[in-house]
Amino acid sequence: QQQVRQSPQSLTVWEGETAILNCSYEDSTFNYFPWYQQFPGEGPALLISIRSVSDKKEDGRFTIFFNKREKKLSLHITDSQPGDSATYFCAARNTNTGKLTFGDGTVLTVKP
Amino acid sequence: GGIITQTPKFLIGQEGQKLTLKCQQNFNHDTMYWYRQDSGKGLRLIYYSITENDLQKGDLSEGYDASREKKSSFSLTVTSAQKNEMAVFLCASSIAQLSNERLFFGHGTKLSVL
Repeated sequence: QQQVRQSPQSLTVWEGETAILNCSYEDSTFNYFPWYQQFPGEGPALLISIRSVSDKKEDGRFTIFFNKREKKLSLHITDSQPGDSATYFCAARNTNTGKLTFGDGTVLTVKP
Repeated sequence: GGIITQTPKFLIGQEGQKLTLKCQQNFNHDTMYWYRQDSGKGLRLIYYSITENDLQKGDLSEGYDASREKKSSFSLTVTSAQKNEMAVFLCASSIAQLSNERLFFGHGTKLSVL
C-alpha cells in the first residue's frame, strides 16, 4: 500500500497560471513534509517544506497548504514559468524513525 | 557549499554481473543514503548509514550490498544484475537521520543491464 500518493501524474499549465500539485498520506506518524524538485539528468533538490504543526508555508511563488485532519497537502506554484518545468516529489517523514517516504512524483510542464 | 559526486554516471552491465556504484560527499554529513529511482516512480530507499562503518537496510535492500568505510564515501553493490534492469541510483547525504531536514542528492548513476 503506497503511503504517499501524488496527483496528477502529469500537469501542463501555461506560463503565468497557477499550478496545483496534490499529495495525500496514510500514516499519522508523519510530521514533516518536504517537496523536492528534480530536473532531467539531476538529483532532486529541496524546494520547500512544512511541519505538521503548520497549515501553510510560503516561499516566493511556492506555497504549501496542509490539512492535517484530511491528511492532504498541496503545492501551489503561482505565476508559473517555463523554468519550473520539472518533476515534483512530495515526501513525508516518520516522527519515530526519521525515515522519508516519497510519492511517485508529478511531472509539471509549463508552456510559454 | 558542498557537493555529492557519483561515479560512474552511466553503467552498463551484463546479466548476473556484480556492479559497484560509488558516492563521495564533502558536506561532512553523518548520514548517507542510496535510493533507487525507476522511471515514473518515486525514490525507494535501498541502504543508509548514520556514521562511518554503520549500515542500515532500507525497503529495497535485497539484491544489494553497501559499504561505508569512511565518513565521506558510501558505495553500493548490485550483487547480481537482472536482465533488462534499468534504473537510476541516487546517493544522498544529510546532517543526521532523525533530523534529516534536508537531503542533498547527487546527479545519479544510470544503470542498464543487457
